[in-house]
Amino acid sequence: GQNIDQPTEMTATEGAIVQINCTYQTSGFNGLFWYQQHAGEAPTFLSYNVLDGLEEKGRFSSFLSRSKGYSYLLLKELQMKDSASYLCAALDSNYQLIWGAGTKLIIKP
Amino acid sequence: ETGVTQTPRHLVMGMTNKKSLKCEQHLGHNAMYWYKQSAKKPLELMFVYNFKEQTENNSVPSRFSPECPNSSHLFLHLHTLQPEDSALYLCASSEAGEVSGEQYFGPGTRLTVT
Repeated sequence: GQNIDQPTEMTATEGAIVQINCTYQTSGFNGLFWYQQHAGEAPTFLSYNVLDGLEEKGRFSSFLSRSKGYSYLLLKELQMKDSASYLCAALDSNYQLIWGAGTKLIIKP
Repeated sequence: ETGVTQTPRHLVMGMTNKKSLKCEQHLGHNAMYWYKQSAKKPLELMFVYNFKEQTENNSVPSRFSPECPNSSHLFLHLHTLQPEDSALYLCASSEAGEVSGEQYFGPGTRLTVT
């Protein structure tokens, strides 16, 4: 079956760095997305990776290893507003998004 | 209005009621989606419409009935729901056929079935 695994919850300190991991098992693979969802709000797009490697976008970076079925989202210089859930989703061979349950990130002062 | 809007934002309904959720996108997209989001569970894709045609129905019970009158509007008609249908219902839109295209989500309708 198709599956996405990511930690349920993580805690980090303001100003620090945190890495949120995601492993996926899908029928075929056409890329991996990360979305951010603040409580009570809509998910918003953060990144899309289809090639191996690290893509950096300001304080946020996303990494992909296709051979390992693994991705991570790296958040630097954490701010209180980064407290949110982070959703990992893989695009399978039918171009259908398979979603993880999300990682709730709690930032402490 | 910009982006993707959904109404109502909150809905409480009894198991015998009939109600409809509405979604409208102002982005010029031609693909629209309904998702169900339950606490601590992955987003569940319910329905997909491309150019007003339904292209995906992920074994959703018939008590959920979608309608897409045009590329900008999407409805989800609800009838004889069960308490386990209580969840956040999210609408999203994207450019049809664009593999790396991000989906733009609405704020959702928080549905409670009593």
